[in-house]
Amino acid sequence: TQLLKQSPQFLSIQEGENLTVYCNSSSVFSSLQWYRQEPGEGPVLLVTVVTGGEVKKLKRLTFQFGDARKDSSLHITAAQPGDTGLYLCAGAEEETSGSRLTFGEGTQLTVNP
Amino acid sequence: NAGVTQTPKFRVLKTGQSMTLLCAQDMNHEYMYWYRQDPGMGLRLIHYSVGEGTTAKGEVPDGYNVSRLKKQNFLLGLESAAPSQTSVYFCASRRTGFAEQYFGPGTRLTVT
Repeated sequence: TQLLKQSPQFLSIQEGENLTVYCNSSSVFSSLQWYRQEPGEGPVLLVTVVTGGEVKKLKRLTFQFGDARKDSSLHITAAQPGDTGLYLCAGAEEETSGSRLTFGEGTQLTVNP
Repeated sequence: NAGVTQTPKFRVLKTGQSMTLLCAQDMNHEYMYWYRQDPGMGLRLIHYSVGEGTTAKGEVPDGYNVSRLKKQNFLLGLESAAPSQTSVYFCASRRTGFAEQYFGPGTRLTVT
C-alpha cells in the first residue's frame, strides 16, 4: 500500500500570512493532485502535477512536484479567509491499476481575519 | 449537468441493519469509486469499478459490497452494519485517460 504523509495536520494563521503544506511519500506516483474540501461537500480538484520538478500556479497558490515524483508542496501567498478549508493531496497510480488515488490525511487550514 | 449525486445524504442505522447507498453520474465516466472519510485519516478507498459490470476491492473493502449494473450507477451495500462503519461516504467518478476524480456531496452514516 502506498502511503502519503501530509503536514501539518492543522494550521491556523492570520490573514495576509504565507504558508506551505507538505505531502511526502516513499513511493513514486504517476501524478499528484491537490484537492480542497469545504464542510459538507466533496473534495474539488485544484491542480494535477505530472512531471518531476513541475511547478504550477493558481492565483496565490503555488504547487510543486518533487523531482523524484514522491513528494509535493502547496504554498499559499497572502492567505485570505476564503482559503479556509481542508486541503488534501492524492497520489495517482498508473491507469492499468485503475488510476486509484491514495490520499494524505489532509491539512485543515483556518485563516483568521 | 448534475455531475455526481449521492442518496441519501444522511442515515442512521442500528447495528445489524442493512442499507444501500446510491451513486449516480451523468458524465458518461468509465471509472467509479467509493471512499470513506474519517477524522485524521483522509479518504480511504473501499471499492472501485473500471467499467459497467466490473468491480474491484480497494484499501478497506471488508463489510461492504458493490455493484455496477449500469454505467451511470454505482451501489454500495452494507449487509450488517457495525458502529465501526460510522463515517462519511463519498462516491467519485473519472473518465479514461484523466486522473481527476469528480466527487459527490457525501452521505453521512451513523451506526448505533
